[in-house]
Amino acid sequence: EADIYQTPRYLVIGTGKKITLECSQTMGHDKMYWYQQDPGMELHLIHYSYGVNSTEKGDLSSESTVSRIRTEHFPLTLESARPSHTSQYLCASESSYTEAFFGQGTRLTVV
Amino acid sequence: AQSVSQHNHHVILSEAASLELGCNYSYGGTVNLFWYVQYPGQHLQLLLKYFSGDPLVKGIKGFEAEFIKSKFSFNLRKPSVQWSDTAEYFCAVDEAGGSYIPTFGRGTSLIVHP
Repeated sequence: EADIYQTPRYLVIGTGKKITLECSQTMGHDKMYWYQQDPGMELHLIHYSYGVNSTEKGDLSSESTVSRIRTEHFPLTLESARPSHTSQYLCASESSYTEAFFGQGTRLTVV
Repeated sequence: AQSVSQHNHHVILSEAASLELGCNYSYGGTVNLFWYVQYPGQHLQLLLKYFSGDPLVKGIKGFEAEFIKSKFSFNLRKPSVQWSDTAEYFCAVDEAGGSYIPTFGRGTSLIVHP
């Protein structure tokens, strides 16, 4: 059982609201990622981090931001949610010598 | 940029049929290779991985994959599928050495009819 947790699992929110998706891991992994996944589609990397105080944007343009103040915590924030942000967001972590471990995901709907 | 191609987007099989899902990648250096599975309503989890050594890799639930370096391929196989194998399957690649970010293929949706 992987020790990586995402909250909330499901979120329905109105346009313009600020939201933060939480992701925490207890494995001490240095690398953490956020992916966006639409049904039947590939995973698109939106943010990643190599460690504390390291954050980078991924391949998919995103209006979200992330922070990495602690090794175990990698939250993603949307300052002003829009319907185009409706998707599933997957958080993952890995060390240099393992595979990626994924959380359960957050399914976000912006109305 | 590195890319991963999965050629079969939707596969429908009957129980006991054999399965082969194709995966090709574009990176020319030394790679780590993975197959992940996502069962309905569950999180993505590792099915098998190749870091080095024997190019034929055995995974959970009777799955195996073969790394063919000359073809940049890492195809997934199972000789006899079961209804419980119904899931999404994702191939992923990252650079050996740990500095690269995993790149995922589009995924293959497998439906197995009882």
